[in-house]
Amino acid sequence: AIRMTQSPSSFSASTGDRVTITCRASQGISSYLAWYQQKPGKAPELLIYAASTLQSGVPSRFSGSGSGTDFTLTISCLQSEDFATYYCQQYNTYPRTFGQGTKVEIK
Amino acid sequence: EVQLLESGGGLVQPGGSLRLSCAASGFTFSSYAMNWVRQAPGKGLEWVSVISGSGGGSTYHADSVKGRFTISRDNSKNTLYLQMNSLRAEDTAVYYCAKDRSNGLGYTFDIWGQGTMVTVSS
Repeated sequence: AIRMTQSPSSFSASTGDRVTITCRASQGISSYLAWYQQKPGKAPELLIYAASTLQSGVPSRFSGSGSGTDFTLTISCLQSEDFATYYCQQYNTYPRTFGQGTKVEIK
Repeated sequence: EVQLLESGGGLVQPGGSLRLSCAASGFTFSSYAMNWVRQAPGKGLEWVSVISGSGGGSTYHADSVKGRFTISRDNSKNTLYLQMNSLRAEDTAVYYCAKDRSNGLGYTFDIWGQGTMVTVSS
């Protein structure tokens, strides 16, 4: 199975900050990567697919980049509603696998 | 409104069985692959299974559940199922059903249910 490793696992930030989360795949996955946001007690929500395509309805402050093995999720100007846990997911091969998550907390 | 509603979770003893259901509404259910994704308490997400759309003829399962769990669907009832046998403590999790965003097979998941909790314990 492809292992997805996110960094950091957690960090603190302030509203208005620009934040970047990294996801690395254990082997190349082309651009078959998605990002999800999950808030406590809620189901995940799809933010980005195909590494850089914004899901309909997702604010433009979210962006994704990368291909092959290295990917990033960037939030350009952190808002209060963005404090959550973020997961990357590869869909290049079965089984589909997620990163371990990155928790963004309020500083 | 597009909606997924899971049911069937509960407490079961190790070695027991449980069948989860996921009722879909607000979209053409038969046109999309459907998935189960689980999340153990305080842990991350784990993809479990996927089943193809109209015919439901293609399925894939995570290695951790292969041979024990079976995904199926009834397009006439707009319902997805997960039959779970030989349950283990490590299967304890919230189980989400999730719709494939496009016409892929377990690609990306744009609609999720609220989840149903499965607890395996004696």
